[in-house]
Amino acid sequence: EAQVTQNPRYLITVTGKKLTVTCSQNMNHEYMSWYRQDPGLGLRQIYYSMNVEVTDKGDVPEGYKVSRKEKRNFPLILESPSPNQTSLYFCASGQSGAYEQYFGPGTRLTVT
Amino acid sequence: GQQLNQSPQSMFIQEGEDVSMNCTSSSIFNTWLWYKQDPGEGPVLLIALYKAGELTSNGRLTAQFGITRKDSFLNISASIPSDVGIYFCAGSQGAQKLVFGQGTRLTINP
Repeated sequence: EAQVTQNPRYLITVTGKKLTVTCSQNMNHEYMSWYRQDPGLGLRQIYYSMNVEVTDKGDVPEGYKVSRKEKRNFPLILESPSPNQTSLYFCASGQSGAYEQYFGPGTRLTVT
Repeated sequence: GQQLNQSPQSMFIQEGEDVSMNCTSSSIFNTWLWYKQDPGEGPVLLIALYKAGELTSNGRLTAQFGITRKDSFLNISASIPSDVGIYFCAGSQGAQKLVFGQGTRLTINP
């Protein structure tokens, strides 16, 4: 089954404790992206990757890092999480860039 | 950053009614897309529009790419309970990025 998977689905952590949210897709898509969803703000792009070893900032990259060492994986790293990073995070992938993206199930992160 | 203004923010309708929502921007977009998000899940693509003036249907859903390339509309005819969810418009100026609207939350009374 074609899908985007994220782990963990739920995470509660404390301020400053480094964490990684994994994302993997099995569709051989070149494009991958991370979004955060907050009430009233829709989805905002954090980082995206056009291909392996090619990443770039989205609209809200501060406090986040990403890497794309292989095509199927695109982990999101929070080196020092803060409460304002409490949000619902989505990973997505696409065959032809950002145009038609498949989204993962989401990771709900709470930073206390 | 760029913003899309999506309206209405929420809708409460009776089953069987038609639904209309729209998205506007001060910027021109080359592509407009409409996604639906069910509770506890990620957004799912409903319709993609690639040409100004384009009108595309997907079952009971119809979407249009505005002629000015600054807006798009989504209509749902004869709503059913499974139409409940949040609908997002999204615009793209190139292959790198999508900009999303704030979403329209649709609630249906049976």
